[in-house]
Amino acid sequence: EDQVTQSPEALRLQEGESSSLNCSYTVSGLRGLFWYRQDPGKGPEFLFTLYSAGEEKEKERLKATLTKKESFLHITAPKPEDSATYLCAVSELTGGGNKLTFGTGTQLKVEL
Amino acid sequence: GAGVSQSPSNKVTEKGKDVELRCDPISGHTALYWYRQSLGQGLEFLIYFQGNSAPDKSGLPSDRFSAERTGGSVSTLTIQRTQQEDSAVYLCASSRLGAGARGEQYFGPGTRLTVT
Repeated sequence: EDQVTQSPEALRLQEGESSSLNCSYTVSGLRGLFWYRQDPGKGPEFLFTLYSAGEEKEKERLKATLTKKESFLHITAPKPEDSATYLCAVSELTGGGNKLTFGTGTQLKVEL
Repeated sequence: GAGVSQSPSNKVTEKGKDVELRCDPISGHTALYWYRQSLGQGLEFLIYFQGNSAPDKSGLPSDRFSAERTGGSVSTLTIQRTQQEDSAVYLCASSRLGAGARGEQYFGPGTRLTVT
């Protein structure tokens, strides 16, 4: 059974203080690893998809990386508007469809 | 363009009543998914539709839950005889690519269901 574990559960940063969020996964065959951002009361917002170990993607202050066992979401010089819950999800290569198995998220708070 | 829309945004119902939740996917997206997000838990897959293929119902928690997708577009999730443990946010997502592909899923704002 696919498993996704995110750490830490919560993270408080000062503005400009870079850090990383971790997503460890167990899947028989990885189709893709997805990062989403979720603001309170809203649906998840797509950020990145990573498909193979060694792949990296960047968007503004965010950079996602992937190994065979985990993914990191690096946040460089964060701003208060980066405060949100960051969700990691995987889809399995075998079987039909592209259903996602999600972790429970990391709640990020960036303070001035 | 327009994103995934869901209605109602909030629904309060009494235990034992039936509820229907609606999802309008992004135009042209062939795949549609329902997930449930309970307090303190991750998103949980419920059901998946792809074109005219039989839906993947493997995530439905009980036979009180059902869903349909009419004309390959709008979907309705029905919960019969609601229980308090059904209280959650129900999220719909759609994807341009379906089975065998890697397309990212775009989520709607969700319906917050409260069963009293």
